[in-house]
Amino acid sequence: DSGVTQTPKHLITATGQRVTLRCSPRSGDLSVYWYQQSLDQGLQFLIQYYNGEERAKGNILERFSAQQFPDLHSELNLSSLELGDSALYFCASSPQGNQPQHFGDGTRLSIL
Amino acid sequence: AQSVSQHNHHVILSEAASLELGCNYSYGGTVNLFWYVQYPGQHLQLLLKYFSGDPLVKGIKGFEAEFIKSKFSFNLRKPSVQWSDTAEYFCATSYGGSQGNLIFGKGTKLSVKP
Repeated sequence: DSGVTQTPKHLITATGQRVTLRCSPRSGDLSVYWYQQSLDQGLQFLIQYYNGEERAKGNILERFSAQQFPDLHSELNLSSLELGDSALYFCASSPQGNQPQHFGDGTRLSIL
Repeated sequence: AQSVSQHNHHVILSEAASLELGCNYSYGGTVNLFWYVQYPGQHLQLLLKYFSGDPLVKGIKGFEAEFIKSKFSFNLRKPSVQWSDTAEYFCATSYGGSQGNLIFGKGTKLSVKP
């Protein structure tokens, strides 16, 4: 158990819909990262938050957004979903930036 | 842009064979290097990391990696694999600094035959 909790584990929805993925970091970790894992693109960094503020942005689409709340949990919002958004979405956390990250079990998103 | 290359897509070994998985990174500045393992149906777990110091890094489960700056490489090794090492292995790097987001290679799937 990594200590990083992601919900839900599985999500099935249709094109055009909006979903919210949730992540609770390990106790004491201030930094939260979101990654997307797909067969064709591999593991790609989406966005990082540190203590409530956006710290770095990767290959995140404009249809996607995220935030980190005062209790340090984070949510990734995906809207106007397309078939290509089907993937495994991982959250990771670390005490600060640039320290080893611990990953959650991921949320498997399937778009029908 | 920084990138990571893993040369082997799928490696098949028999138990007790030695393992070496290749990893090359592109960034010429200060980098941090990692190997993660993903067992079937599980989350990514950190095997080992290199930030600075001794270029030969020992990790969990008998794995080690060697940082060779001149070759931009960080290959993963294990002298004798077990069936339980069957998993996907990811090499990753991050820039020095406060951001810390990881850039992953495509992964190498390791299958160990009993």
